[in-house]
Amino acid sequence: DAKTTQPPSMDCAEGRAANLPCNHSTISGNEYVYWYRQIHSQGPQYIIHGLKNNETNEMASLIITEDRKSSTLILPHATLRDTAVYYCIVRALNTGTASKLTFGTGTRLQVTL
Amino acid sequence: DADVTQTPRNRITKTGKRIMLECSQTKGHDRMYWYRQDPGLGLRLIYYSFDVKDINKGEISDGYSVSRQAQAKFSLSLESAIPNQTALYFCATSGTSGTLVDTQYFGPGTRLTVL
Repeated sequence: DAKTTQPPSMDCAEGRAANLPCNHSTISGNEYVYWYRQIHSQGPQYIIHGLKNNETNEMASLIITEDRKSSTLILPHATLRDTAVYYCIVRALNTGTASKLTFGTGTRLQVTL
Repeated sequence: DADVTQTPRNRITKTGKRIMLECSQTKGHDRMYWYRQDPGLGLRLIYYSFDVKDINKGEISDGYSVSRQAQAKFSLSLESAIPNQTALYFCATSGTSGTLVDTQYFGPGTRLTVL
């Protein structure tokens, strides 16, 4: 799986959009970009994933650059409950072997009043 | 109700004891996983199961064993617990079809302390 680079921490004011960047310059053509988050000591929570098109769901939007070397997770209206560590993961699907997720160090997002 | 449940949520045990952590899911997924998380080390895969007859070792399986009793249940055992197995343990599941194929969903975790 391709490696990812994320800033270690970010702050965001409540109600504003949180834009979390991720670099994955060695991504392969069959690898997806996944985002998870982990609120302190809770189980990681799936947010969104995509291959090359931008994606949106009820939680967030995912913007992937045309060359697929980077992406941005957007939380449109951050709340205090969005304070968590956010992980960007690049992986292929259904490889037939362990479909394990490799979590890096992530970005610690702090949402403030 | 949670789709992936883990019991117990917290456990304190002594060195040498055998303990079992249990995971149940109502998502109808075929694939289940056990991870452990240590501070600063991220999640590491212990065992995974693609169906009830297919169990595989992950990257850190030594000292652990698993049992897939049914599609919905996957248990992790520590045969003889040791202090460096103190960690947060997560169970996860994933499906094999649909738009969310192979997306893993995690349980709430079990905090295990081995004294």
